[in-house]
Amino acid sequence: GDSVTQMEGPVTLSEEAFLTINCTYTATGYPSLFWYVQYPGEGLQLLLKATKADDKGSNKGFEATYRKETTSFHLEKGSVQVSDSAVYFCALYQPDRDDKIIFGKGTRLHILP
Amino acid sequence: GAVVSQHPSRVICKSGTSVKIECRSLDFQATTMFWYRQFPKQSLMLMATSNEGSKATYEQGVEKDKFLINHASLTLSTLTVTSAHPEDSSFYICSALSRRDTQYFGPGTRLTVL
Repeated sequence: GDSVTQMEGPVTLSEEAFLTINCTYTATGYPSLFWYVQYPGEGLQLLLKATKADDKGSNKGFEATYRKETTSFHLEKGSVQVSDSAVYFCALYQPDRDDKIIFGKGTRLHILP
Repeated sequence: GAVVSQHPSRVICKSGTSVKIECRSLDFQATTMFWYRQFPKQSLMLMATSNEGSKATYEQGVEKDKFLINHASLTLSTLTVTSAHPEDSSFYICSALSRRDTQYFGPGTRLTVL
């Protein structure tokens, strides 16, 4: 079945460092891909999304490109801030297949000042 | 690993009836649970935050009298869709926050209102 695999955390970086959180997926068809962010004690918020191959989602300095050839949707940010400390979830959604959303296990990110 | 269950997984009801969805954390205590709604072809939307022993906090635009949330214990939260209408048809997902601030998702409940 469909699945999402994220790099395990926690990831600890210094402020202004470059961030990459890897996400790969297994799916048939043409899923939509999402990154969600969970700040401490809060629910998920949509960070960015891409609905077809080669699309690039971007928001708040974060970017991810839908790579069908490598089945990946890695999250990147050029210069992280302390306020980016959170848990990041990669997710796959098949709108034409039962509308279910499949999450990765989440990657906890700590940014040190 | 931690498991969150939802019941039922699918429900079909008539317009005007109420439907209750249960969310349980099976092997850990969750002081906080979240309820989300998945609209077709869209991203997940947070509906409310449910804290054990207190009233739920609803996101803007979510009718608290329509979507009743009860977090009766550290392992159970319920969402009741009252007087359901076809526009309430959706995929509802809960998640539970462990004491280590890790979020675990339920498998979701597909609600279809005829």
